[in-house]
Parts: sequence; structure tokens; C-alpha cells
Amino acid sequence: GAGVSQSPSNKVTEKGKDVELRCDPISGHTALYWYRQSLGQGLEFLIYFQGNSAPDKSGLPSDRFSAERTGGSVSTLTIQRTQQEDSAVYLCASSSDPPYEQYFGPGTRLTVT
Amino acid sequence: KQEVTQIPAALSVPEGENLVLNCSFTDSAIYNLQWFRQDPGKGLTSLLLIQSSQREQTSGRLNASLDKSSGRSTLYIAASQPGDSATYLCAVGAGKSTFGDGTTLTVKP
Repeated sequence: GAGVSQSPSNKVTEKGKDVELRCDPISGHTALYWYRQSLGQGLEFLIYFQGNSAPDKSGLPSDRFSAERTGGSVSTLTIQRTQQEDSAVYLCASSSDPPYEQYFGPGTRLTVT
Repeated sequence: KQEVTQIPAALSVPEGENLVLNCSFTDSAIYNLQWFRQDPGKGLTSLLLIQSSQREQTSGRLNASLDKSSGRSTLYIAASQPGDSATYLCAVGAGKSTFGDGTTLTVKP
């Protein structure tokens, strides 16, 4: 079946603009995760959803970042008033019920100029 | 706070060698541990997942082991090939997963 998809694949935006990143998980997967990978850095956890609820938002870097998930499916990550340090690859993953094996999408490369 | 370390950061081997990648974690109360590979400019591909109650998992030329008590996991790659060249990442936990920084493997023909 189809894997995790993300859109757009690349996004270039000007500093101060808002951006929305989209993630379509594997059909039937109940959990969805967002990570950030900056150049030369490891993966940084941002947030995860179980169904439409986000039990852990502790990884969101600032209040400029928000995420939602609707219908237990698609998720959007919104970054308001983008800054240059937001430039990174944003990765989404989904998993089914235990043992919660994560499957990743190809990522969205965000460049803030 | 869980911390995950992968050693070495980079490894270069000739084709055909067997090799071991290491992953260590500080909090042994983990739910699972997952190994991934990442090719340049790509997302992560799941290789193996070991649940906390398991000791090892095998898939083809790959074998991953888990020792919770010592906070360690190893990924064994048999008969390495140039196509195995990639960055290998381990991650612990379900929900809020913690990743290591990875080991970049180069297999020379």
C-alpha cells in the first residue's frame, strides 16, 4: 500500500511568513509523529499524535510552532513568522498499534531566506 | 532524560566485511528500539524493530540485538555491499522517540 507522504517536498519562504507542512500517514495508522532534522544534526522530536490528540507537545521549539491532526488521518505542522533557524528538513512518521514501528515520509525541506 | 549515543560516528570498510554498529541508551526502561537507514537527501527506512521483551531480530543480512540491562543495542551487517552505504540511526521509545546521531557507513568496492 501507499507509504507516508508529505507535501510540499520543498518550500522556500521569506523570513516572517507563515508556512504549512502536510503529512498523510499510512492508512489505518493511529499514531503520527513530527521530527526536524537540521543540517548536520540528528533528529529532533517535535510532537506526536495518538488519534487526534497530542499527548506530548514538549518538543515544539516555540509558540510559533503548532500542529493539528483531523479525522485521525492528515496532519499539518504550521510555523508562524518563520525565522532562518527554522530552516531544516521536517520529517513525518506514522505507526500502527503496538509495537509502534515507525514509517517515515520523504520529508519537506524548508528554507527560510 | 533519555540520551542515545551511536559509536562510531563514521565507518569505512571494504566490500565483503562483516561489521557491527553500536547504540547505547541511558534509560533502560524502553518500550522498543528501532534501527533505520537514511540515504542522503532521503527519509528514513525502517530496518528492524526490537520490542523490550525481545533479545534480537534478524532480516536478511542484518541482525539487531538488545541488552536492556546494559543499555546497548548492536546492528550486525554481514557480507557488506556498496549498496549498504548510508547513515544508520537507532531510536528508542514509542511516542516520544529519542534518536542517536547515527553512524555513517561507507562500503568501498
